[in-house]
Amino acid sequence: GENVEQHPSTLSVQEGDSAVIKCTYSDSASNYFPWYKQELGKGPQLIIDIRSNVGEKKDQRIAVTLNKTAKHFSLHITETQPEDSAVYFCAASWPGNQFYFGTGTSLTVIP
Amino acid sequence: DSGVTQTPKHLITATGQRVTLRCSPRSGDLSVYWYQQSLDQGLQFLIQYYNGEERAKGNILERFSAQQFPDLHSELNLSSLELGDSALYFCASSVEGGSARGYTFGSGTRLTVV
Repeated sequence: GENVEQHPSTLSVQEGDSAVIKCTYSDSASNYFPWYKQELGKGPQLIIDIRSNVGEKKDQRIAVTLNKTAKHFSLHITETQPEDSAVYFCAASWPGNQFYFGTGTSLTVIP
Repeated sequence: DSGVTQTPKHLITATGQRVTLRCSPRSGDLSVYWYQQSLDQGLQFLIQYYNGEERAKGNILERFSAQQFPDLHSELNLSSLELGDSALYFCASSVEGGSARGYTFGSGTRLTVV
């Protein structure tokens, strides 16, 4: 089955700096890669996703890049704010299948 | 409100007992997924139902079972509970197999076994 690895497990940045979280996947059949943000005591929320026919996608301060050849994808958050502090999960999937999640990155933005 | 409703929000029970967690998917979503999240752990896939039928199983213990009813709500039954079953249990729903768009997660049920 699919195996998704996520790094780093914890990340601290100063407010205003950028944060990058990286994930790798093993199954070349995966073609959909969502990112989730989980705040304390809440369920994960989808923040951005990318499909395999696209190399990069942006949504305001958040961007995701995908390298299909290398089987890795990354989340980039620019101009970080304290409210970006949360646990972020990457995932990989293909049609009709469950999501395989990474182990999560705990991001702390220091004011 | 994500549109996925999970009840109860909190549950405290004793070892050896049985509990039922309930999930109502977002309107129009046919797939329901159950995940377990233990302290400092990631999201462990338990089981998926699609339109009433079991579609995939993950690392679900034999003491756990689930079903999806004709109205598409789902229940996760946990029996012979052990201390190690204490965790957050999330339900998520999607329109189809999951790759059309991301799952929508509920807010979870926090189970504490004492």
